[in-house]
Amino acid sequence: QKEVEQDPGPLSVPEGAIVSLNCTYSNSAFQYFMWYRQYSRKGPELLMYTYSSGNKEDGRFTAQVDKSSKYISLFIRDSQPSDSATYLCAMRGTGNQFYFGTGTSLTVIP
Amino acid sequence: DTEVTQTPKHLVMGMTNKKSLKCEQHMGHRAMYWYKQKAKKPPELMFVYSYEKLSINESVPSRFSPECPNSSLLNLHLHALQPEDSALYLCASSQDPRGGFEQFFGPGTRLTVL
Repeated sequence: QKEVEQDPGPLSVPEGAIVSLNCTYSNSAFQYFMWYRQYSRKGPELLMYTYSSGNKEDGRFTAQVDKSSKYISLFIRDSQPSDSATYLCAMRGTGNQFYFGTGTSLTVIP
Repeated sequence: DTEVTQTPKHLVMGMTNKKSLKCEQHMGHRAMYWYKQKAKKPPELMFVYSYEKLSINESVPSRFSPECPNSSLLNLHLHALQPEDSALYLCASSQDPRGGFEQFFGPGTRLTVL
């Protein structure tokens, strides 16, 4: 079993839709959770990070962590064509190694 | 300054060449990372430096040789690479290797081995 599982998509939505991206994980020691956006042929860009369970909101983006279910989500409201990218979840425990999901490819259609 | 910079942006090299990739950050981060990323795959960890010491080497072939000259700089020396080593090489840094801070990536070096 992989440490982190993420549906690779692809996911295609119309402009203005709410997008839900999800990851599950198996290691209960993970405490820090991140979402990255990666455009084609570019480095990953950090979007959101959260510590432990709860919600965090930043503009159109909301990150949720449910440690009891080992499940994290990223919601994008009012999606825009510029949101079209691959979204990677990542997480870590107390060490300095980060574990990545496989990435979900998102296309927002104008 | 929340930026990780990498040079060069693109590199084409033959299998007998020796080249180096460079990464720099001025955020005071004490952990620095090299990742390799193939198309449509997540980043794959190669090396981690913690307080300028190599702390993780993910069984990377010796044709890749990392170096951390100081807390702001990270190099990856390349020698006798194979065509399958062609990929996007990403550098990243994080604030405290023992804590829970997020990781910032550079834009990457796109390497092509002929």
